[in-house]
Amino acid sequence: KQEVTQIPAALSVPEGENLVLNCSFTDSAIYNLQWFRQDPGKGLTSLLLIQSSQREQTSGRLNASLDKSSGRSTLYIAASQPGDSATYLCAVPLGGGSNYKLTFGKGTLLTVNP
Amino acid sequence: EPEVTQTPSHQVTQMGQEVILRCVPISNHLYFYWYRQILGQKVEFLVSFYNNEISEKSEIFDDQFSVERPDGSNFTLKIRSTKLEDSAMYFCASRKGADTQYFGPGTRLTVL
Repeated sequence: KQEVTQIPAALSVPEGENLVLNCSFTDSAIYNLQWFRQDPGKGLTSLLLIQSSQREQTSGRLNASLDKSSGRSTLYIAASQPGDSATYLCAVPLGGGSNYKLTFGKGTLLTVNP
Repeated sequence: EPEVTQTPSHQVTQMGQEVILRCVPISNHLYFYWYRQILGQKVEFLVSFYNNEISEKSEIFDDQFSVERPDGSNFTLKIRSTKLEDSAMYFCASRKGADTQYFGPGTRLTVL
């Protein structure tokens, strides 16, 4: 059974700081890994999807890395802003095709202080 | 940009009542999902739907739950007799065939 763990559970940083969020998973036989952002009481916004054949994926100030063999992914946020404050979730799929479904971590609650 | 929509945003119901949560997936997507998130807990998979039938369901998705795609656009989740422990945020998601799943804004269900 796939387990996804995110560390730290919460992180508070001053504006402008670069930061790293961590995600680990127990079963390394994954197709990809997806990072989401969740604002309080809101839905999930997909940030990045990194394929199992990739080591990195970038979007703006976000950079996700994936090390399948060690079961780890990191989300790097450069020059953090107060608007980045949210919960960040990572998710990995189980199954493929019509059986594809996501297993989520509990998330890291990020607070960026002005 | 196309997006998944869900209605209502908040539903309050009495225990034992039936509720229907509605979703409109992205129009050219083929795979449809329901997930839920109990307050303070992980997002968890409920059911997947493809080609007009359930592909897979979790242990949570018991006989009280059902899904339907009644027309070419809507995807619904019905809970026949709600329990207090059904109170959660319910998310609909869809996927075209590439791997990214797109999630709706959620429906907050409160069972009293």
